[in-house]
Amino acid sequence: DGGITQSPKYLFRKEGQNVTLSCEQNLNHDAMYWYRQDPGQGLRLIYYSQIVNDFQKGDIAEGYSVSREKKESFPLTVTSAQKNPTAFYLCASSVGGHQPQHFGDGTRLSIL
Amino acid sequence: DAKTTQPNSMESNEEEPVHLPCNHSTISGTDYIHWYRQLPSQGPEYVIHGLTSNVNNRMASLAIAEDRKSSTLILHRATLRDAAVYYCILRDANDYKLSFGAGTTVTVRA
Repeated sequence: DGGITQSPKYLFRKEGQNVTLSCEQNLNHDAMYWYRQDPGQGLRLIYYSQIVNDFQKGDIAEGYSVSREKKESFPLTVTSAQKNPTAFYLCASSVGGHQPQHFGDGTRLSIL
Repeated sequence: DAKTTQPNSMESNEEEPVHLPCNHSTISGTDYIHWYRQLPSQGPEYVIHGLTSNVNNRMASLAIAEDRKSSTLILHRATLRDAAVYYCILRDANDYKLSFGAGTTVTVRA
């Protein structure tokens, strides 16, 4: 079945470490997105990519980095510059424009 | 960004219809109305979207007011699996991102 796979489901990070969250899709979608969700809150956009080798900052990009070397992959790196990284991270993809976004099941990141 | 207003929570009985209201008085002509829902510890799931006309799909119906300043998501027969947070989102036709608010938490009683 086509869909979006995020891994790992749970991730723990020591302070000062960078960590990379994986997002893979086999839906042949051009656009991909990363969101962050804090407890009891809605989602906030971190980065998005409309096409391979191109990406744009979202509303809360500071302390994060991304790459889009392949159409099916959009990894997110949470750097040590992100002062409050504990959150639920969600990856999504869409055909583009106003078309619906399909979400993965998320990665929950915690700081040790 | 155009904003939406939703009730914090709603309760329903199983197999009864659920009507979820959303106000969006500052909607622009190119804003689509999207609805997503999120079950606990899962990613959001697309439910339905529309621009001006009412829309139906296998999950729900979307009723859009004539002036487009409000809309209602209708779940025709609620099941326990419909218990989730429902988000009403305005999305410009040329905008890639979704802006999520706090949503409406729907509880379904057996």
